[in-house]
Amino acid sequence: DGGITQSPKYLFRKEGQNVTLSCEQNLNHDAMYWYRQDPGQGLRLIYYSQIVNDFQKGDIAEGYSVSREKKESFPLTVTSAQKNPTAFYLCASTKTAGRGGELFFGEGSRLTVL
Amino acid sequence: GEDVEQSLFLSVREGDSSVINCTYTDSSSTYLYWYKQEPGAGLQLLTYIFSNMDMKQDQRLTVLLNKKDKHLSLRIADTQTGDSAIYFCAESTEGTYKYIFGTGTRLKVLA
Repeated sequence: DGGITQSPKYLFRKEGQNVTLSCEQNLNHDAMYWYRQDPGQGLRLIYYSQIVNDFQKGDIAEGYSVSREKKESFPLTVTSAQKNPTAFYLCASTKTAGRGGELFFGEGSRLTVL
Repeated sequence: GEDVEQSLFLSVREGDSSVINCTYTDSSSTYLYWYKQEPGAGLQLLTYIFSNMDMKQDQRLTVLLNKKDKHLSLRIADTQTGDSAIYFCAESTEGTYKYIFGTGTRLKVLA
């Protein structure tokens, strides 16, 4: 079955460490997104990519980095510069950005900074 | 900028109807969506409506759109305990990459 796989589901990090969250999709979608979810704040866009080898900052990109070397993969690195990284991170994809198609989501990764 | 607002909580009794409301600010919105999130999971699309429609019905779900007031609602008939979840309203505009999500409404269904 096609879908989006995020790993790990739970991750603990010490302050000052970088961590990378994996996102893989086998839906043949061109566009991929990373969102951060905090209680009572909805989903906030971190980065998005409309096509391989291209990505753009979203509303809260500071302290995060991404890459899009393959169509299927869009990993997110949470760097030590991110001041409050504890959150639930969601990866999503859609066939083509701007066409209003369904946004498919992974199951999320919960990051806790100790 | 664009904004989507929802109330944070709603509690209903099993068997009653639930109505979750949403307001948005972007008059150029083309598509409006309702997503459901179960605890500790990702979001799943429940239904969507084009901005040129007033209503859409899908089994127990009814979506109403008042474009003049920029108001969207989701009615769940015969609400069950399995409907307990967070419901997100979202909008997007043709030709843009952005999907704007509301804060989510936590629906609690009491047995």
